[in-house]
Amino acid sequence: GQQVMQIPQYQHVQEGEDFTTYCNSSTTLSNIQWYKQRPGGHPVFLIQLVKSGEVKKQKRLTFQFGEAKKNSSLHITATQTTDVGTYFCAGTPGGSQGNLIFGKGTKLSVKP
Amino acid sequence: GAVVSQHPSRVICKSGTSVKIECRSLDFQATTMFWYRQFPKQSLMLMATSNEGSKATYEQGVEKDKFLINHASLTLSTLTVTSAHPEDSSFYICSARPLWVGPAFFGQGTRLTVV
Repeated sequence: GQQVMQIPQYQHVQEGEDFTTYCNSSTTLSNIQWYKQRPGGHPVFLIQLVKSGEVKKQKRLTFQFGEAKKNSSLHITATQTTDVGTYFCAGTPGGSQGNLIFGKGTKLSVKP
Repeated sequence: GAVVSQHPSRVICKSGTSVKIECRSLDFQATTMFWYRQFPKQSLMLMATSNEGSKATYEQGVEKDKFLINHASLTLSTLTVTSAHPEDSSFYICSARPLWVGPAFFGQGTRLTVV
């Protein structure tokens, strides 16, 4: 079946270090979304990428969508303790009825 | 963003009883809502897609008779865990998308503990 693979599963960084999580889909995606789930909370939408090769920035967060629309990345520059949480990517397979397929998430911990 | 409200946030029930979880879209109509289950330190597992006015679509391996879904209105979907057992203890989250290809908005989640 359609899958969205996300790596790494866990990432421990020192505050101030950079962080990147990657998503790869087995099929072409019409769009990809990123969510953040704080410990004990629910996933919160961060951003959606639609165009091939698209790059979007939100302050220290940079999101990329691959040229083939099968992979994506989220990069955080100079992590802070407030960045702690699990980051999920979610893709909509091209030609599907809009169902989101979630990656397994990357849990980020930041040591002050 | 849009608001999805889920209730209750926590519930403890005895083994063998049933528990109903409500998911409401507060500021938009949702013909489709999604129910997920999340085990500790794991990802979101889609259980079923709830369709207003029709039967829910269940993912493979999810027992329809155990996890009853009702989507009777455009703003409310309910998930009933019937004859709950300790292995049903988990975090259940619903979501809805105001726009079919737009972002998903999640409820606060329900922490179910079956004792």
